[in-house]
Amino acid sequence: EIVLTQSPGTLSLSPGERATLSCRASQSVSSNYLAWYQQKPGQAPRLLIYGASSRATGIPDRFSGSGSGTDFTLTISRLEPEDFAVYYCQQYDSSPLFTFGPGTKVDIK
Amino acid sequence: QVQLQESGPGLVKPSQTLSLTCTVSGGSISSGSYYWSWIRQPAGKGLEWVGRSYISGSTNYNPSLKSRVTISVDTSKNQFSLKLSSVTAADTAVYYCARYFWGSFDSWGQGTLVTVSS
Repeated sequence: EIVLTQSPGTLSLSPGERATLSCRASQSVSSNYLAWYQQKPGQAPRLLIYGASSRATGIPDRFSGSGSGTDFTLTISRLEPEDFAVYYCQQYDSSPLFTFGPGTKVDIK
Repeated sequence: QVQLQESGPGLVKPSQTLSLTCTVSGGSISSGSYYWSWIRQPAGKGLEWVGRSYISGSTNYNPSLKSRVTISVDTSKNQFSLKLSSVTAADTAVYYCARYFWGSFDSWGQGTLVTVSS
């Protein structure tokens, strides 16, 4: 089973600042099947990035994903007020097929 | 744009079976190369994948739940369902239905809270 570790646990930033979130896998993620989601309180997760670096439909270009193998990064170039949320990475592998990281909370400094 | 909506009892007694349905609108559940999945989230915690089904009936389940989970698709109703047997308090969570495509979950329902309590 591939275990995902996200860091930091909490990121305190101000609007307009750059956010860099890390997701590390215990084994190489096949074919870059790594996705990122945003979740706000009381809402379902929303897909931001799939295939490690492709933005999902309707996602602003301030969100970008990068990385390969075991190290992946989600970058928010300039934080907007609506970006303060919890972010999860997720991978697709052989078993149990899908696992999620524990999340990084981006809150207002 | 496809929309998903969960429905089912919000309270289930211990040892009973949790049953939820996800209704898909804005598109046919039979179209495309999609799998239909369930994911859950205990209060204040992270996300756990429960399982998925394809329209052919092919299924995959989280090994930690496999002995208790059944997911099925009803193409005539454009719905898919989750049954989780022998529930305990540890199964209390918000349950989301989601559409899987190419390694990720691109559409989600709003989620439904299921509490296991006598």
